Amino acid sequence: DAKTTQPPSMDCAEGRAANLPCNHSTISGNEYVYWYRQIHSQGPQYIIHGLKNNETNEMASLIITEDRKSSTLILPHATLRDTAVYYCIVRVVGKIIFGKGTRLHILP
Amino acid sequence: NAGVMQNPRHLVRRRGQEARLRCSPMKGHSHVYWYRQLPEEGLKFMVYLQKENIIDESGMPKERFSAEFPKEGPSILRIQQVVRGDSAAYFCASSLDGQNNEKLFFGSGTQLSVL
Repeated sequence: DAKTTQPPSMDCAEGRAANLPCNHSTISGNEYVYWYRQIHSQGPQYIIHGLKNNETNEMASLIITEDRKSSTLILPHATLRDTAVYYCIVRVVGKIIFGKGTRLHILP
Repeated sequence: NAGVMQNPRHLVRRRGQEARLRCSPMKGHSHVYWYRQLPEEGLKFMVYLQKENIIDESGMPKERFSAEFPKEGPSILRIQQVVRGDSAAYFCASSLDGQNNEKLFFGSGTQLSVL
């Protein structure tokens, strides 16, 4: 079973920052937080991952709380092409288990 | 550096036939994962393989499904005697190793349709 909880859907205006929350209160000390997204029926696309420090790359920023029980994915300037299902995942060694994710709608 | 390659992209089978789905991992990757996505549902883990070994098959149906990742060549997901309920998108992913700080790269999937 997935170890994360996400809102089923969110809206964000085009050009604004999209902030997607995730709860992972049972995360263990050596487990990483990963974010993937799936655009329509394409293969999941890696976005970002982190352990305890905040991370940033060309796609997004990941903010992890100090107690590591929750995190937020930030898409700084959302575009229509960011419309997708976003998955927050706690990675154990080996497989990735996907939950239901958050369906993000970008509004023009 | 080519990504994860899956073929065919679309596969149509009649009930009772066999389906073979192929996955070539990224260059240098020796770990492969298979996932199934039923229409309007999420991604479900099926099996995790390393070269010539099945590491975790906890998500594989007990009958008709098998997977292999030989020393040479692609990973194969095989479905025998397909039924309509097998119609789904099947995604393959690969990673360099199985450590939890190593990301998985996904292919574009194979859409299986059973008539």
